[in-house]
Amino acid sequence: GAVVSQHPSRVICKSGTSVKIECRSLDFQATTMFWYRQFPKKSLMLMATSNEGSKATYEQGVEKDKFLINHASLTLSTLTVTSAHPEDSSFYICSARDQGRGWTEAFFGQGTRLTVV
Amino acid sequence: GENVEQHPSTLSVQEGDSAVIKCTYSDSASNYFPWYKQELGKRPQLIIDIRSNVGEKKDQRIAVTLNKTAKHFSLHITETQPEDSAVYFCAATGYNFNKFYFGSGTKLNVKP
Repeated sequence: GAVVSQHPSRVICKSGTSVKIECRSLDFQATTMFWYRQFPKKSLMLMATSNEGSKATYEQGVEKDKFLINHASLTLSTLTVTSAHPEDSSFYICSARDQGRGWTEAFFGQGTRLTVV
Repeated sequence: GENVEQHPSTLSVQEGDSAVIKCTYSDSASNYFPWYKQELGKRPQLIIDIRSNVGEKKDQRIAVTLNKTAKHFSLHITETQPEDSAVYFCAATGYNFNKFYFGSGTKLNVKP
């Protein structure tokens, strides 16, 4: 299947700092990528849709100023957690769908474990 | 957005038995329903999917059924094996075919 790579896999940051997470589609172009947050033993909560060349669209209840999304190219989307606080600690995971494969299967990155201390 | 509910949250079966996981969705516009398997510490992987114009789909030991009228769909795993142990997520697209909204997950434990 197609490959989505996410970096870093783990990050620890101090409260009040910002953290950037990258999501790359390695062997296909993705005009749209998706960012999820996964709490322990919980489901994947859709946070936002990242659109190449335009603004991201956020799900209800997600603070767009807290979670900045940039999709500058067809293979890269970034999620920046600004002014991070301990409650932002979570597992963040991105996904992308390959138009060349008929827009069906979503391929996931390996996820990023964020810990804010 | 779409609201997907999934049951049960945990399921323990004996090796060789069948396992059934059920999901309901709220948006009648949803037209694509994938199931993902997530092993501990790994990324979710697609195991089977179904489109709204089909009522049932089977792939070896795995099958999915869809009832559009009732807005529910189910995953059936037969002859379960220990390697089937994982968390399973259902998803639906809602009116926007691009997006996936996931159920809360089912932790399946297959006992040898």
